[in-house]
Amino acid sequence: GAGVSQSPSNKVTEKGKDVELRCDPISGHTALYWYRQRLGQGLEFLIYFQGNSAPDKSGLPSDRFSAERTGESVSTLTIQRTQQEDSAVYLCASSRVGYSNQPQHFGDGTRLSIL
Amino acid sequence: RKEVEQDPGPFNVPEGATVAFNCTYSNSASQSFFWYRQDCRKEPKLLMSVYSSGNEDGRFTAQLNRASQYISLLIRDSKLSDSATYLCVVNIGPTKTSYDKVIFGPGTSLSVIP
Repeated sequence: GAGVSQSPSNKVTEKGKDVELRCDPISGHTALYWYRQRLGQGLEFLIYFQGNSAPDKSGLPSDRFSAERTGESVSTLTIQRTQQEDSAVYLCASSRVGYSNQPQHFGDGTRLSIL
Repeated sequence: RKEVEQDPGPFNVPEGATVAFNCTYSNSASQSFFWYRQDCRKEPKLLMSVYSSGNEDGRFTAQLNRASQYISLLIRDSKLSDSATYLCVVNIGPTKTSYDKVIFGPGTSLSVIP
């Protein structure tokens, strides 16, 4: 079946612009995660959605970052007034809910470059 | 102390060598454990889950020691294709603020040399 799909694959934009990144999870996966990975660094947790529960936003680095998810489907991560420090790969992952032994499955990521 | 810590690496080993990666976690309530691998400029991919009794998948063996809060990954007969960053992943499970809490370690880089 289809895996986690992210778009766009690459995004280059000017400092100060807003960007929107999209994630389509695996069908039936109710948990969805966003991560940021800067070049040569580890994964940085941003936000977690679980069904209709309130999302865990504890990883969002500033109020310029926000994310939405409609039901158990597509999620969008929005970065407002982008800064050069936002340049990174943004990874989305999904997993089944209800079983903590279920692993996450990642999309290919969106490579964001802020000029 | 970080919630998940790994050997800092990098590990440079010759083909055919056996290499072991270590990982420690701080939350004794952690419920499930995984090893992922991440190739350069690629997304992380699940390598194997880690079970309490230990488990093996071909050349790869994972072990868990709950008392010591320690996880290991052993790779036997290393191949050039094993070169990647290996990520230790711990799922704490439900917390007060989150239904699920997955923590990725910083990763250990492995280079297998011809």
